[in-house]
Amino acid sequence: AQSVAQPEDQVNVAEGNPLTVKCTYSVSGNPYLFWYVQYPNRGLQFLLKYITGDNLVKGSYGFEAEFNKSQTSFHLKKPSALVSDSALYFCAVRVLNNAGNMLTFGGGTRLMVKP
Amino acid sequence: EPEVTQTPSHQVTQMGQEVILRCVPISNHLYFYWYRQILGQKVEFLVSFYNNEISEKSEIFDDQFSVERPDGSNFTLKIRSTKLEDSAMYFCASRAQTANTGELFFGEGSRLTVL
Repeated sequence: AQSVAQPEDQVNVAEGNPLTVKCTYSVSGNPYLFWYVQYPNRGLQFLLKYITGDNLVKGSYGFEAEFNKSQTSFHLKKPSALVSDSALYFCAVRVLNNAGNMLTFGGGTRLMVKP
Repeated sequence: EPEVTQTPSHQVTQMGQEVILRCVPISNHLYFYWYRQILGQKVEFLVSFYNNEISEKSEIFDDQFSVERPDGSNFTLKIRSTKLEDSAMYFCASRAQTANTGELFFGEGSRLTVL
């Protein structure tokens, strides 16, 4: 079975400060890891993914994430937060040999960026 | 930019009634999914669909649920006899066949309220 944990329900950060949203995963096999963002009353928007190669992946809106195999983590980061980054962030994992290729999502972390 | 569209955006129904939620995936995508999100909770996988058949389903997707691709464009989720606990936001998603490592593209969701 595959699972994702986002240990923080909410992260508060001041505008201009760096932000980190944490994610750890558990899979049997090589993971494909994803971050999605959900704005109020909207669907899920893809931010970035890790498949293979460089452990640091860059995505939309200045976000990046670092894959750490030994710690089974895939934390989302941004060097300088914007108020407009305030949203719900979901980490997700998929395993290569999963027949249906379903994504398993974490519980989500609400990011609040204050001016 | 191509997108996944869902209708209706919001449906209110009485317990025991049948509901059909409709989705138009991105035109060249061949993998289709339904997820749901109960208010304030995590995004949960329901079912994946490929080559006109279910490839994977979760425990949530019991006999009350069914999916269909009645024509070349629509992908529907039917709940035969709705229960109060079916109240949730239902998200449709699609993925391109050639992108085994590819991300899912989500629609804006259909909010179902069962009274």
